[in-house]
Amino acid sequence: GAGVSQSPSNKVTEKGKDVELRCDPISGHTALYWYRQSLGQGLEFLIYFQGNSAPDKSGLPSDRFSAERTGGSVSTLTIQRTQQEDSAVYLCASSLRGASAGELFFGEGSRLTVL
Amino acid sequence: QKEVEQNSGPLSVPEGAIASLNCTYSDRGSQSFFWYRQYSGKSPELIMFIYSNGDKEDGRFTAQLNKASQYVSLLIRDSQPSDSATYLCAVTKSSSASKIIFGSGTRLSIRP
Repeated sequence: GAGVSQSPSNKVTEKGKDVELRCDPISGHTALYWYRQSLGQGLEFLIYFQGNSAPDKSGLPSDRFSAERTGGSVSTLTIQRTQQEDSAVYLCASSLRGASAGELFFGEGSRLTVL
Repeated sequence: QKEVEQNSGPLSVPEGAIASLNCTYSDRGSQSFFWYRQYSGKSPELIMFIYSNGDKEDGRFTAQLNKASQYVSLLIRDSQPSDSATYLCAVTKSSSASKIIFGSGTRLSIRP
């Protein structure tokens, strides 16, 4: 497909386990964003990648969260030692050049439930 | 104080009327402003963006920006039931033009 692809769509895990969420952006998009949306809430910025520049990690809520983007394309968000408050929908978005210059295209999200 | 503030609603508007959605932001240096629509259980999609003070019209939608008051609004004319959704206001940070911050959204309900 031509859109942003995220996997898994749903993940249920036990408190303390590690999880990995994957995002495959639209081909050719240099900017990639991760957001978190808790039930009934807005989008919380987590991290932003732009080309080969150092990522903007200022939104990561704790050192349990990390993300990488390999080869300027696919990104993985890793949450270590998950807590119940990590339960949310994790949304990935990509953009041709970055938010200030154009639209963010969102994936369908990965719903994480921590028991 | 939240960086982007919106009334959570729900805002109920009769079909055919004008829906007015408002947003204020705290970063005086923000340069780019966006309205995203999010249907229940779906991902956000862009409906309008505005960079300059004043009004910008696109079909039934008009975005209004007042940087002096740090205020953005979205008007939806001739509201339709299909406009029922949550509307998210988003702004870029002055410290990083590509870092975009979202408000918590206003839930809009169009009643037939």
